[in-house]
Amino acid sequence: KNQVEQSPQSLIILEGKNCTLQCNYTVSPFSNLRWYKQDTGRGPVSLTIMTFSENTKSNGRYTATLDADTKQSSLHITASQLSDSASYICVVSAEAGTALIFGKGTTLSVSS
Amino acid sequence: GAVVSQHPSWVICKSGTSVKIECRSLDFQATTMFWYRQFPKQSLMLMATSNEGSKATYEQGVEKDKFLINHASLTLSTLTVTSAHPEDSSFYICSATSGSYEQFFGPGTRLTVL
Repeated sequence: KNQVEQSPQSLIILEGKNCTLQCNYTVSPFSNLRWYKQDTGRGPVSLTIMTFSENTKSNGRYTATLDADTKQSSLHITASQLSDSASYICVVSAEAGTALIFGKGTTLSVSS
Repeated sequence: GAVVSQHPSWVICKSGTSVKIECRSLDFQATTMFWYRQFPKQSLMLMATSNEGSKATYEQGVEKDKFLINHASLTLSTLTVTSAHPEDSSFYICSATSGSYEQFFGPGTRLTVL
């Protein structure tokens, strides 16, 4: 069964600190893995998209890694800001143009 | 990046009425649009996949006669919640793709059924 699992479920950190979110998947065949940021009451916004051959991709203070062999991904947030408080969702696609498989997300709270 | 809009952003209606939600791709042609539903503190759940000019494909457990989807053009898809009930209250999100692996999400529509 195709599944995407994320950990931790929630996380609280102080402003300025770094954090790493984890994602494990069992989706096969694998096309790509995405990380989205979803603010409360808003639609998801894409942070990174990685295909099978990519190991790491950065978008500003966000760096995603992918290990296709172990089927694991991580999202590292550097120098967190209050505006980083949101739900971070790991999403895997089996084939281009097909429905996405969503993780349940990690709720990040950044406090001052 | 590509922009997807939804209208309305929120709607409150009485039980038994129908509500239409629009999803538009503003700067690209969307061959496929997806409709999702998200309950509080839950992840997005796919309701249906819509291709322009053809009938939508619904996920298991989603009533096609209750959630009417029309993908009339390459830039517009509509979701109509018919005879809405309080349990239909949710956050409805659409996404659109032009055929590549990139999907762009709309900002969502908050539906509250009284």
